[in-house]
Amino acid sequence: EAQVTQNPRYLITVTGKKLTVTCSQNMNHEYMSWYRQDPGLGLRQIYYSMNVEVTDKGDVPEGYKVSRKEKRNFPLILESPSPNQTSLYFCASSSGNRETQYFGPGTRLLVL
Amino acid sequence: KQEVTQIPAALSVPEGENLVLNCSFTDSAIYNLQWFRQDPGKGLTSLLLIQSSQREQTSGRLNASLDKSSGRSTLYIAASQPGDSATYLCAAPANFGNEKLTFGTGTRLTIIP
Repeated sequence: EAQVTQNPRYLITVTGKKLTVTCSQNMNHEYMSWYRQDPGLGLRQIYYSMNVEVTDKGDVPEGYKVSRKEKRNFPLILESPSPNQTSLYFCASSSGNRETQYFGPGTRLLVL
Repeated sequence: KQEVTQIPAALSVPEGENLVLNCSFTDSAIYNLQWFRQDPGKGLTSLLLIQSSQREQTSGRLNASLDKSSGRSTLYIAASQPGDSATYLCAAPANFGNEKLTFGTGTRLTIIP
């Protein structure tokens, strides 16, 4: 089954404790991206990747890092999480940014 | 900078009625526009993608239109059903040649049985 998976689905952590949210897709897609969704602000793009080793900032990249060492994986790294990073995070992939985006189920993060 | 607006934020409609959801965008130099559905606590599901060369795209009871000159897209849902209750979002590229996507804040649709 074609899908985008994210882990963990739910995470509670404390300020400053590094964490990684994994994202994997099995559709051989070149384009992958991360979004955060906040009430009243909608979905905002954090980072995107056009292909392996090619990443670029979205609208809200501060406090986040990403890497794309393999085509199927696109982890989101929070080196020093802060409470304002409490949010619902989505990973997405597509065969190109001009094509249909497929979203993962989301990761709900709470930073205390 | 691309801005995408969806009005109203919420809409309630009796079952069986046809309805239209609206999406407007400020930068008309886009190559496509996408409509998504989001169920509570779940991810987004792509409904329709309209290329800039198209004016309409249909899937079952859904029909999406795109008018670049006016900066508007509509999603038409025919014969609404309770299962159509969800939040509907539209997304447009930040601008031509830019690979970012800009989302509207969505319309929360409730179909009343």
